[in-house]
Amino acid sequence: KQEVTQIPAALSVPEGENLVLNCSFTDSAIYNLQWFRQDPGKGLTSLLLIQSSQREQTSGRLNASLDKSSGRSTLYIAASQPGDSATYLCAVIGSSASKIIFGSGTRLSIRP
Amino acid sequence: DGGITQSPKYLFRKEGQNVTLSCEQNLNHDAMYWYRQDPGQGLRLIYYSQIVNDFQKGDIAEGYSVSREKKESFPLTVTSAQKNPTAFYLCASSFKVVDRVSNQPQHFGDGTRLSIL
Repeated sequence: KQEVTQIPAALSVPEGENLVLNCSFTDSAIYNLQWFRQDPGKGLTSLLLIQSSQREQTSGRLNASLDKSSGRSTLYIAASQPGDSATYLCAVIGSSASKIIFGSGTRLSIRP
Repeated sequence: DGGITQSPKYLFRKEGQNVTLSCEQNLNHDAMYWYRQDPGQGLRLIYYSQIVNDFQKGDIAEGYSVSREKKESFPLTVTSAQKNPTAFYLCASSFKVVDRVSNQPQHFGDGTRLSIL
């Protein structure tokens, strides 16, 4: 059974720092992996989607990497800003299933 | 603008009462999903539908029911059989791929927070 883990559960860093969020999954047979952002009391916004054949995806200050063999993905945020404060969730779709399995998220706080 | 609309934003349920959460999308997506989110936890799939008049149970379907009579709408009913309904409920939609999941990301509504009176 696929399990997705995100550690730490919460992270606080000063503005301007570069930071890395981690996601690990137990079954390397995935179809794709997504990173989402969730603001308090809101739904999820898709940030980046990495297909199983890809190693990374970039969007602005965000870069997501995927290492299927080790069951890991990272979300790199460059030059963090207070507006980046949110919960970040990763999710995987297994290659044999149509369901998305979510991690429990990392709550990020950027201190001005 | 295209998007997903969930209503109401806040909902209160009395003991023994069924309540229905609304989800409407104008993205022309075939697939729609309902998730439950509890504090400090990831999203758990309740039900999903890949096409009109068809839906499948997710991981935690007990105490819930859905219908998919129209492509744009996928309402979720929380029945009295659901003994712990207090949670944040999220609806999502995506394009359907013929035999696998889409490489397009899911789009989410802003959620409904359900509480018990």
